[in-house]
Amino acid sequence: DIQLTQSPSFLSASVGDRVTITCRASQGISSYLAWYQQKPGTAPKLLIYAASTLQSGVPARFSGSGSGTEFTLTLNNLQPEDFATYYCQQLSRYPRTFGQGTKVEIK
Amino acid sequence: QVPLVESGGGVVQPGGSLRLSCVASGFAFSGFGMHWVRQAPGKGLEWVAFIRFDGFYKFYADSVKGRFTTSRDNSNNTLYLQMSSLTSEDTAVYYCAKDQLRYDPEAFDIWGQGTMVTVSS
Repeated sequence: DIQLTQSPSFLSASVGDRVTITCRASQGISSYLAWYQQKPGTAPKLLIYAASTLQSGVPARFSGSGSGTEFTLTLNNLQPEDFATYYCQQLSRYPRTFGQGTKVEIK
Repeated sequence: QVPLVESGGGVVQPGGSLRLSCVASGFAFSGFGMHWVRQAPGKGLEWVAFIRFDGFYKFYADSVKGRFTTSRDNSNNTLYLQMSSLTSEDTAVYYCAKDQLRYDPEAFDIWGQGTMVTVSS
């Protein structure tokens, strides 16, 4: 199975900050990576697919990059509604594994 | 209209069975692969199962293989997850989710609201 390791697992930031979350795959997955945002009690929401393509309707302050085994999700100008948990997911092979999540909290 | 609505969750005893349903609306259900993803209380997301748009291909996580079966009824826009030999490790919110594209693995673009399954005596 392909393992995804996110770092950090937790980060504390302020409104207006720029934050970066890293997702490392245990083997190459080309650009078959997606990022999701999840708020407590709700389903995950797709933010980015194909490593760097912004899903329709997602604010442009979110961006993704990377290919192969290393990927990043960047949140620019952090807004109050961005405080949530973020997951990466690989879609290269089954099982479709997720990273363990990164919780972004208000400092 | 909510695109995906799960139902069938509840409390079940260890060793018991349960069938979850996911009714789709607002998109061409028969044209897309569907997945089940679960989330144990306070934990991360775990992919559980996949069924291709036509029902001919299925994949399962090792943790549920041989105990869970996914199926679909395209005529009624409904996805199912039959769960058996349940243990406390299966306690979780179960989400159904849609593949964004029919053939290429891209992302899960639509998710249901989830249904809670609790395995407890």
